Amino acid sequence: DAGVIQSPRHEVTEMGQEVTLRCKPISGHNSLFWYRQTMMRGLELLIYFNNNVPIDDSGMPEDRFSAKMPNASFSTLKIQPSEPRDSAVYFCASSAETGNSPLHFGNGTRLTVT
Amino acid sequence: QKEVEQDPGPLSVPEGAIVSLNCTYSNSAFQYFMWYRQYSRKGPELLMYTYSSGNKEDGRFTAQVDKSSKYISLFIRDSQPSDSATYLCAMSRDSNYQLIWGAGTKLIIKP
Repeated sequence: DAGVIQSPRHEVTEMGQEVTLRCKPISGHNSLFWYRQTMMRGLELLIYFNNNVPIDDSGMPEDRFSAKMPNASFSTLKIQPSEPRDSAVYFCASSAETGNSPLHFGNGTRLTVT
Repeated sequence: QKEVEQDPGPLSVPEGAIVSLNCTYSNSAFQYFMWYRQYSRKGPELLMYTYSSGNKEDGRFTAQVDKSSKYISLFIRDSQPSDSATYLCAMSRDSNYQLIWGAGTKLIIKP
């Protein structure tokens, strides 16, 4: 079991540029979550997919953020245009089913927008 | 007031000590309680998972839930330097996508 795989591990970009973060969930898991973690706000849920369908995107901060899950083994989170306040660690997590199965997190993408 | 309160620390204790980490919450509807451990530059990993009230033990770790006081605890016995990490509590009413997270407590175990 390779776990949840995220890429890139680090991303440094200039304000205004497009950023795409990638996630491969654990095989067989049908729920996928994108979180953002900052010192000030802690862990925040951005969007939740179940069976590749977005169920709750109320945590997506602005229209600049979008997420897709074209198939069960891949998801992207895109920020366009990026701003310095988007700097954070972005985590992808997956779980085996809805309800209360534990979340398995990737090691995150550390995004710095200058 | 936040739904879940957790002291960010840092909490520094000597190796071998018993550690007590705590969270308080305000929503009496929470039924599922979790503790995650997060090492530096890593994602959170599930440590303990408890439903409703009571205790759960796993090796050196014990999770305790007191719903009447809206208070949960994680105890670590015989603490080791490898236990140095941030510990996050999380809880929900009925769904893992509606987890409410604590801010995390940074724990430092001194050799």
